[in-house]
Amino acid sequence: GAGVSQTPSNKVTEKGKYVELRCDPISGHTALYWYRQSLGQGPEFLIYFQGTGAADDSGLPNDRFFAVRPEGSVSTLKIQRTERGDSAVYLCASSSLGGRNEQFFGPGTRLTVL
Amino acid sequence: AQRVTQPEKLLSVFKGAPVELKCNYSYSGSPELFWYVQYSRQRLQLLLRHISRESIKGFTADLNKGETSFHLKKPFAQEEDSAMYYCALRTSNFGNEKLTFGTGTRLTIIP
Repeated sequence: GAGVSQTPSNKVTEKGKYVELRCDPISGHTALYWYRQSLGQGPEFLIYFQGTGAADDSGLPNDRFFAVRPEGSVSTLKIQRTERGDSAVYLCASSSLGGRNEQFFGPGTRLTVL
Repeated sequence: AQRVTQPEKLLSVFKGAPVELKCNYSYSGSPELFWYVQYSRQRLQLLLRHISRESIKGFTADLNKGETSFHLKKPFAQEEDSAMYYCALRTSNFGNEKLTFGTGTRLTIIP
């Protein structure tokens, strides 16, 4: 079946602009995660949804970052007033009922802030 | 807070030679440990997890709580093992589902 998909695959924006990154999880997966991977680093946790609600947003670096999952499926990560330091690959993952199960990752969105 | 350390950024091994990718962690409770792999132009995928105690693609990893390590091993390297490997930890706390990753080791198998 289809895996986790993310759009766009690449996004180039200018400093100060607003961006939205989209994640389509595996159908039926209730848990959804966002991670950020900077160059030379491992993925770093941002936020975790169980259904529609954010169960853990402790990884969001500041209030410019926000994520939603209004219907418990697709999620959007929103970044306001982008900064050059936001440049990274943003990864989405999903897992089936009971987040203790395996997390399946998407291909990522490469965000470049000029 | 938990932390995962992978001391080697790069590792080159000859085909047929043994492989060991090191992973150390710090966490005061009982962790779950994982190895994820990313092959060229592919997405990150789970290789193995310590609770499964199984061998995947010839790789094994044993959780050593005394040494706080979860090293990944394979007795005979194959060219298709060339990839980026990440060690990851998840705490045992209910509701804490996030993975904490190390910085990764790029493994290159020399033909």
